[in-house]
Amino acid sequence: QIQLVQSGTELKKPGASVKVSCTASGYTFTNYGIIWVRQAPGQGLEWMGWISGNNGNTKTAQKFQGRVTMTKDTSASTADMELRSLRSDDTAVYYCARWPLDDSAPWGQGTLVTVSS
Amino acid sequence: DIQMTQSPSSLSASVGDRVTITCRASQGISNYLAWYQQKPGEVPKLLIYAASTLQSGVPSRFSGSRSGAHFTLTISSLQPEDVATYYCQKYNSPPFTFGPGTKVDVK
Repeated sequence: QIQLVQSGTELKKPGASVKVSCTASGYTFTNYGIIWVRQAPGQGLEWMGWISGNNGNTKTAQKFQGRVTMTKDTSASTADMELRSLRSDDTAVYYCARWPLDDSAPWGQGTLVTVSS
Repeated sequence: DIQMTQSPSSLSASVGDRVTITCRASQGISNYLAWYQQKPGEVPKLLIYAASTLQSGVPSRFSGSRSGAHFTLTISSLQPEDVATYYCQKYNSPPFTFGPGTKVDVK
């Protein structure tokens, strides 16, 4: 079945970087892109960016420009999102989801990133 | 950037009630509007895309509609398992912004 599996929980210190991985299975990776969404504790969903599964083109929310890098490894059917210069307000669950939307819209299980000294 | 607003921010209704949630875009987005359901502690789940297309497996009591830049999610008969926060998302062009969410409780 179509599935996105994310890397595990991360604990980082302020100023550090974190890389979250998202491994796809059950579909042709290059036919779809991946979006990244985060959710701070008790808060709503925040769109971070998108990467094409075909050519690797990216779009990043203005808020994260300069701090986020999205990459993909087609051979491994994996998309990664790196967030740098972490702050306490980056503490959140980070999700990947397949894009564009169609009748199957899988999301990863979420990766908790905690930023604390 | 296009802003997305939702109303109400929360509501409480009885089982069997008809529930309506509204999402407005600050500019036209055609039909590029999705609705998600997020139950406490769970991953968001797509309910509706293209403003009114129900995803497979989603109960038929859920429906979506559009009037200009005004979108509506309707639950025709609220069930206990519908307790969740509902988000709209626009996707005509990046950024694919989410609305702030509507929390639905059962009285």
